[in-house]
Amino acid sequence: NAGVMQNPRHLVRRRGQEARLRCSPMKGHSHVYWYRQLPEEGLKFMVYLQKENIIDESGMPKERFSAEFPKEGPSILRIQQVVRGDSAAYFCASSLIVGEKLFFGSGTQLSVL
Amino acid sequence: EDQVTQSPEALRLQEGESSSLNCSYTVSGLRGLFWYRQDPGKGPEFLFTLYSAGEEKEKERLKATLTKKESFLHITAPKPEDSATYLCAVQALEGGSTLGRLYFGRGTQLTVWP
Repeated sequence: NAGVMQNPRHLVRRRGQEARLRCSPMKGHSHVYWYRQLPEEGLKFMVYLQKENIIDESGMPKERFSAEFPKEGPSILRIQQVVRGDSAAYFCASSLIVGEKLFFGSGTQLSVL
Repeated sequence: EDQVTQSPEALRLQEGESSSLNCSYTVSGLRGLFWYRQDPGKGPEFLFTLYSAGEEKEKERLKATLTKKESFLHITAPKPEDSATYLCAVQALEGGSTLGRLYFGRGTQLTVWP
């Protein structure tokens, strides 16, 4: 079991471009979570998804950010028209049962030039 | 707003020098408190979950304890390989769709030197 897989590990975008971050949960896990870690700050919850459903998106910025977890394939966090303030490490996690321990991926470091 | 505060921000220990990390929290109702370890460039790695005051969990040189308002991570006779950032997170007893949300502290960066 390869654990939670995220790609790419590093992503560089210029202001105004789109960023697409991918996450494949652990085998058998249907609960996926996205967190953002800004420099000098703690991990901040963004969104919680199950297959084909967004359950809790209370931590997502209202504009430019979207997430999906389709029936087939990885979960995608999409950031449109990136700005420098979007530069951060984005972590995906999954769990077997909602509310139980989360298993994290190694993250995607997004740098916006 | 629910908050998690960890102290100290950074801690340097000599190998074998035991110490404790603190995590204090304010949440309307606590469902669970989690400890994670994070190495540079990696995602957090799960250590413990505590659910009720008085509960204790142990793993090798680490022991986590929980009271009504704080948790401690005790490190006994640490080794250099214990160097990492230790994160505390709480899960509020809001139920329903919010069960997936953890509130993290900023972490304690532990350095153990030989």
